[in-house]
Amino acid sequence: GQQVMQIPQYQHVQEGEDFTTYCNSSTTLSNIQWYKQRPGGHPVFLIQLVKSGEVKKQKRLTFQFGEAKKNSSLHITATQTTDVGTYFCAANLQGAQKLVFGQGTRLTINP
Amino acid sequence: EAGVAQSPRYKIIEKRQSVAFWCNPISGHATLYWYQQILGQGPKLLIQFQNNGVVDDSQLPKDRFSAERLKGVDSTLKIQPAKLEDSAVYLCASSFRPNSGGRETQYFGPGTRLLVL
Repeated sequence: GQQVMQIPQYQHVQEGEDFTTYCNSSTTLSNIQWYKQRPGGHPVFLIQLVKSGEVKKQKRLTFQFGEAKKNSSLHITATQTTDVGTYFCAANLQGAQKLVFGQGTRLTINP
Repeated sequence: EAGVAQSPRYKIIEKRQSVAFWCNPISGHATLYWYQQILGQGPKLLIQFQNNGVVDDSQLPKDRFSAERLKGVDSTLKIQPAKLEDSAVYLCASSFRPNSGGRETQYFGPGTRLLVL
């Protein structure tokens, strides 16, 4: 069954609004990675979080890893049309080498 | 630095036919992955190679899917015979070292879009 759940599945915002996607697991995660996939494109690595409670920023993007290492979030401030795409979280379950992807959150933006 | 190369980019076949995909990872990357991405879903790992050995093929439907990486560089993924539900994008990815503890970035190729009619 699905071990990494991601919500929401879709999000439509006005340009300039904020956007957040959440990733949750019932099991402890070794790490979490975030990828962005543009329409018709392939996943592109954004960032990796490893430590409990870790927060990383990339310009308008803020990534958080939960204290219990079971959830993560990606927040985009003041979205731009270039942010359009599907954002995936991917995680190694504790003790496993295999990367498990969430279902993704598809972001569309009204200019 | 050249990225992960895949071919063909698109393939349309009829059910019960065979199809093969090719992947050339980034030079020097020891680990190669094949993923299946069905429309609207996240990529699902089919098989992971470390050099020319298989690390994980637990989600590979072995009755119809096969993959090899004979010389530890290029890889091919084959489906024989194809079913309608195999319609998906097949993504190849590579990383420099094994994904131990999940600390390796995976670099994805453009994918092969397969449509089975």
